[in-house]
Amino acid sequence: DGGITQSPKYLFRKEGQNVTLSCEQNLNHDAMYWYRQDPGQGLRLIYYSQIVNDFQKGDIAEGYSVSREKKESFPLTVTSAQKNPTAFYLCASSTGTGFEKLFFGSGTQLSVL
Amino acid sequence: QKEVEQNSGPLSVPEGAIASLNCTYSDRGSQSFFWYRQYSGKSPELIMFIYSNGDKEDGRFTAQLNKASQYVSLLIRDSQPSDSATYLCAVLTRGYQKVTFGIGTKLQVIP
Repeated sequence: DGGITQSPKYLFRKEGQNVTLSCEQNLNHDAMYWYRQDPGQGLRLIYYSQIVNDFQKGDIAEGYSVSREKKESFPLTVTSAQKNPTAFYLCASSTGTGFEKLFFGSGTQLSVL
Repeated sequence: QKEVEQNSGPLSVPEGAIASLNCTYSDRGSQSFFWYRQYSGKSPELIMFIYSNGDKEDGRFTAQLNKASQYVSLLIRDSQPSDSATYLCAVLTRGYQKVTFGIGTKLQVIP
């Protein structure tokens, strides 16, 4: 079945540590996105990529980094510079280069130890 | 002013009633409008999208768009307890540069 796979489901970060969230899709979608969701704040865009080897910052990119070396994969690294990383992270993809209908993965809950 | 505004709720309706969820947006040039349903602890799921003024119906769901007044709404007929979730309004900005989400409205359908 086609879909978006995020791993791990739960992740704990120690202070000063970088952690990487995985996102893989087999939908043959060109565009991929990372959102952060905090209680009561909706979804906020971190980074997006419309094509392999290219990506753009979203509204809250500071403290995060991404890569897009393969069409299927768009990993997100939460760096030690992100001082408040506790949130629900959602990866999404869409068919075109525009932000059309988004298909979401199951999410990763990141917490700080 | 927030780009996409929703009342966080909760909105409580009895089973079988019509639930009406509303959303307003600030960018008059916005292109497309989406409603996502999100159950607690789960990821959002697209349930409706609308591009043109007027109504769009899909089963028990109707999306309504009024670009002149800059609002979009979602009606759920014959509400069921399984409809209890948070409903996120999302707006595609002009130039297709990004989708902005509202904070979501929590709907509770009371049996």
